[in-house]
Amino acid sequence: QKEVEQNSGPLSVPEGAIASLNCTYSDRVSQSFFWYRQYSGKSPELIMSIYSNGDKEDGRFTAQLNKASQYVSLLIRDSQPSDSATYLCAVTGGSQGNLIFGKGTKLSVKP
Amino acid sequence: DAGVTQSPTHLIKTRGQHVTLRCSPISGHKSVSWYQQVLGQGPQFIFQYYEKEERGRGNFPDRFSARQFPNYSSELNVNALLLGDSALYLCASSPTRGGRYYGYTFGSGTRLTVV
Repeated sequence: QKEVEQNSGPLSVPEGAIASLNCTYSDRVSQSFFWYRQYSGKSPELIMSIYSNGDKEDGRFTAQLNKASQYVSLLIRDSQPSDSATYLCAVTGGSQGNLIFGKGTKLSVKP
Repeated sequence: DAGVTQSPTHLIKTRGQHVTLRCSPISGHKSVSWYQQVLGQGPQFIFQYYEKEERGRGNFPDRFSARQFPNYSSELNVNALLLGDSALYLCASSPTRGGRYYGYTFGSGTRLTVV
């Protein structure tokens, strides 16, 4: 059974702080890794994708991938109250290419 | 540029009924997949289609079926609805290059309630 594990939270950080979200996955052949943001009652929105080991930065977001440890993380710098949402980690499931999601981490940024 | 569009947005059905959900992918995307999301969980994979062929199926009963049309739109059918089928049904499309899927974009979803 291919699995993606996330800490469900809630993770609470003060405004302006760095939020760190973590994810581990079980399938070593996973090739593509994604972070989605989902506001309550809305559909997931893609915020970061990463395909090779190392860091990838996009604005206030940095995704980190370590395939040897089967670990993906998302850092959100200068957190804003508008970042309060559930963050879903997803990996592709081998040759099928479908996404396998974690249960999500709920982030709360306090003003 | 239109994103992934799904219809209807909300639906209420009675146990035992049948439902059809529809999805139009982003223009140029040939891959469409369907996911079910129940409250408090991440989306669960139901089906994946590419170039009108089923490329993957998740762990869902045969009551669930889908197809993709020549214009790459897709529909998801669920027969003999159960209360447990109540969920947000999400459609996603993705560009593909060299057999790899990139950046799945989700539609706004169809909220199905079975009573």
